Amino acid sequence: DGGITQSPKYLFRKEGQNVTLSCEQNLNHDAMYWYRQDPGQGLRLIYYSQIVNDFQKGDIAEGYSVSREKKESFPLTVTSAQKNPTAFYLCASSSTSTGIGELFFGEGSRLTVL
Amino acid sequence: AQSVTQLDSQVPVFEEAPVELRCNYSSSVSVYLFWYVQYPNQGLQLLLKYLSGSTLVESINGFEAEFNKSQTSFHLRKPSVHISDTAEYFCAVRNSGGSNYKLTFGKGTLLTVNP
Repeated sequence: DGGITQSPKYLFRKEGQNVTLSCEQNLNHDAMYWYRQDPGQGLRLIYYSQIVNDFQKGDIAEGYSVSREKKESFPLTVTSAQKNPTAFYLCASSSTSTGIGELFFGEGSRLTVL
Repeated sequence: AQSVTQLDSQVPVFEEAPVELRCNYSSSVSVYLFWYVQYPNQGLQLLLKYLSGSTLVESINGFEAEFNKSQTSFHLRKPSVHISDTAEYFCAVRNSGGSNYKLTFGKGTLLTVNP
């Protein structure tokens, strides 16, 4: 089945450690996105990429890094510089060929920093 | 810049009652509008979208939304809700032109359907 796979679903880390969240899609979408979700805050865009080897900062990129070496993959690293990393992280993708930009989401990764 | 305001953070209703979840947007250009639904600890799923044409759009599970350009609104309605409709609902907007595919989301409305 086509879709977006995020892993791990739950992750616990100690303060000061970098963590990498995986996002893989087999929808053949050009664009991929990372959002952060906190209770009552909605979704806030961290980074997005509309083509391989290129990505742009979203609204809250500080303390995060990404790479886009393959069309299917868009991993997110939460660095120790991120002041409040505990959150629910959502990866999404969209086709740029239709012109609509409808997002398809993964199931999310919940990161808890102890 | 665009913005989305979901006027109610929580909406409690009884089963089989009608419901309206309100969404207003701000944009200086033509837009596409979306409603997404999120069940606990899951990702978001597209519920319905407005691109152009008829201002009333429907989903397969009985929800509908009406695009009102003059009031810059895209309210979501259902005439009779079920317990299974309990979820968080997000309204989102993006420019209909250009190559920027970013969606801007509202903060969400938690719909709780009680027996």
